[in-house]
Amino acid sequence: TQLLEQSPQFLSIQEGENLTVYCNSSSVFSSLQWYRQEPGEGPVLLVTVVTGGEVKKLKRLTFQFGDARKDSSLHITAAQPGDTGLYLCAGTYNTDKLIFGTGTRLQVFP
Amino acid sequence: GAGVSQTPSNKVTEKGKYVELRCDPISGHTALYWYRQSLGQGPEFLIYFQGTGAADDSGLPNDRFFAVRPEGSVSTLKIQRTERGDSAVYLCASSPGNRDTQYFGPGTRLTVL
Repeated sequence: TQLLEQSPQFLSIQEGENLTVYCNSSSVFSSLQWYRQEPGEGPVLLVTVVTGGEVKKLKRLTFQFGDARKDSSLHITAAQPGDTGLYLCAGTYNTDKLIFGTGTRLQVFP
Repeated sequence: GAGVSQTPSNKVTEKGKYVELRCDPISGHTALYWYRQSLGQGPEFLIYFQGTGAADDSGLPNDRFFAVRPEGSVSTLKIQRTERGDSAVYLCASSPGNRDTQYFGPGTRLTVL
């Protein structure tokens, strides 16, 4: 059974602070995705990474895929209250189904 | 354009009852997925359709759960003899084809009393 561990589980910070969320697995991913989910809604895709060592930027968000394709990180610079939500990593292992991580709940206070 | 829609948005039922949850995928999407998300956790895969056929049903927890997609569009997830442990948000996603981006619906919140 493939497991994706995310840390931290909860994060409460002030507006303007930086933060990093981690996603780790004992298995090698074919690809890894990061999602953001708000209450009452489904997850919304932020980014997909497929190459070991890959770095992608989306405005204030920076996503990194580990060289061995077993781990990933999401870094947010100067967090804003609008960044509040549940952040989920999800991996694929040569199949179509997504294996989701345990989630990181982020709260950004003004 | 219209996204993935799910009905009902909320369903409250009693232990032992039968429920059906509906998913309308994005028009033209051939792949459809069902996931279940328990409180405070990430979604768990249940079943995946490519067209009308179930390509992977390895995530269905037991034989009380069944899903159909008879015309390759709308899908229904059916749960027999519901148990309190079935309470969760059931999410549906669709994608244009194999291994494409999955677009999620808002989910159906199922509560079994």
